[in-house]
Amino acid sequence: QKEVEQNSGPLSVPEGAIASLNCTYSDRGSQSFFWYRQYSGKSPELIMFIYSNGDKEDGRFTAQLNKASQYVSLLIRDSQPSDSATYLCAVNDGNNRLAFGKGNQVVVIP
Amino acid sequence: KAGVTQTPRYLIKTRGQQVTLSCSPISGHRSVSWYQQTPGQGLQFLFEYFSETQRNKGNFPGRFSGRQFSNSRSEMNVSTLELGDSALYLCASSLKGQIDIQISPLHFGNGTRLTVT
Repeated sequence: QKEVEQNSGPLSVPEGAIASLNCTYSDRGSQSFFWYRQYSGKSPELIMFIYSNGDKEDGRFTAQLNKASQYVSLLIRDSQPSDSATYLCAVNDGNNRLAFGKGNQVVVIP
Repeated sequence: KAGVTQTPRYLIKTRGQQVTLSCSPISGHRSVSWYQQTPGQGLQFLFEYFSETQRNKGNFPGRFSGRQFSNSRSEMNVSTLELGDSALYLCASSLKGQIDIQISPLHFGNGTRLTVT
């Protein structure tokens, strides 16, 4: 089973600040990486994906990938209360399935 | 376009019973995957179907089974329910069965919350 690790514990950020989430993965051959957001009681929704080393920006979200160090991160700029959710890192394990981390809870404080 | 539809939304069963969950993928999507989500283990892959064939299976006991119909709709069955089967069961569909970001990522349904007492 491919492993995907995310930092434990909730992340509290003041409104307008940057939230930074990190994820490491064990399979050096992994090719594509996803960030899902899950509100309490809801299903995961895709917010970002990345497959090339470097940064990818989409609105207030930036995904960063470093394959050599086997980590992928997500930055949320200008955090809003509506960003309060659990963020799930997922890695395509090469067998048509995603391996998920256990998630990071983000709490944006107004 | 309608999203992934799962029924029922909630189920309460007793140990030893069996349960069937249903999933209708997004129109045109041929791949359906099932995941189990629990607070302790997070999201874990159960299996994936494409064109009525199971292509991948996760590390779950044989009590967990599924199938896909010719219209891409899928069902998941759990027999001889155990307390530990209590979880949110999520169905996800993708266009061609390749979780390739350039083709189609996974789109999740709202899930079926199963409680086993």
